[in-house]
Amino acid sequence: AQSVTQPDIHITVSEGASLELRCNYSYGATPYLFWYVQSPGQGLQLLLKYFSGDTLVQGIKGFEAEFKRSQSSFNLRKPSVHWSDAAEYFCAVVGAGTASKLTFGTGTRLQVTL
Amino acid sequence: DGGITQSPKYLFRKEGQNVTLSCEQNLNHDAMYWYRQDPGQGLRLIYYSQIVNDFQKGDIAEGYSVSREKKESFPLTVTSAQKNPTAFYLCASSGGRPMNTGELFFGEGSRLTVL
Repeated sequence: AQSVTQPDIHITVSEGASLELRCNYSYGATPYLFWYVQSPGQGLQLLLKYFSGDTLVQGIKGFEAEFKRSQSSFNLRKPSVHWSDAAEYFCAVVGAGTASKLTFGTGTRLQVTL
Repeated sequence: DGGITQSPKYLFRKEGQNVTLSCEQNLNHDAMYWYRQDPGQGLRLIYYSQIVNDFQKGDIAEGYSVSREKKESFPLTVTSAQKNPTAFYLCASSGGRPMNTGELFFGEGSRLTVL
């Protein structure tokens, strides 16, 4: 069965500092990986996705993520955080080419201090 | 603009009442999903449908029911059998052409509070 672990429940960073949110997945075959962001009381918005090819993927709002198969990780990064990035971030995995359902991590809440 | 519309955004219900949450999409997606979100628990799948007139239980289907009579619509009924229905409910769809990559598109959510 596929699973996703986001080990950090809550992270606080200063505006302008760099950010890395961790995501580890468990899946036996080739995964498709996603990062979503959720503002309070809103739905989820896709930040970026990895299907194949270049292991460093770029997303919206200046975010990027790197797929490391050897570590089963797909960490999200941003060089300089803005106050508007405060939100909850979810990592998700699904089996490539399958009709499987996405499995989500429990999320990481990001707080940005000014 | 294409997207997913959930209604109502806020809903209050007395114990023992059934309520139905609406979800409509104009993305021409085949698959639709209902998730429940509680603080600290992420998203949990209630039901999903990959095609009209067919749906499957997710991880927490007890106390819920759905229908999929039209491609565009996937309403969720929270029945009185659901022991703890107060939550944030999210509808999503997937199924782009030519390949369904599993990427989900979400509505804005419906917050249900049981009084």
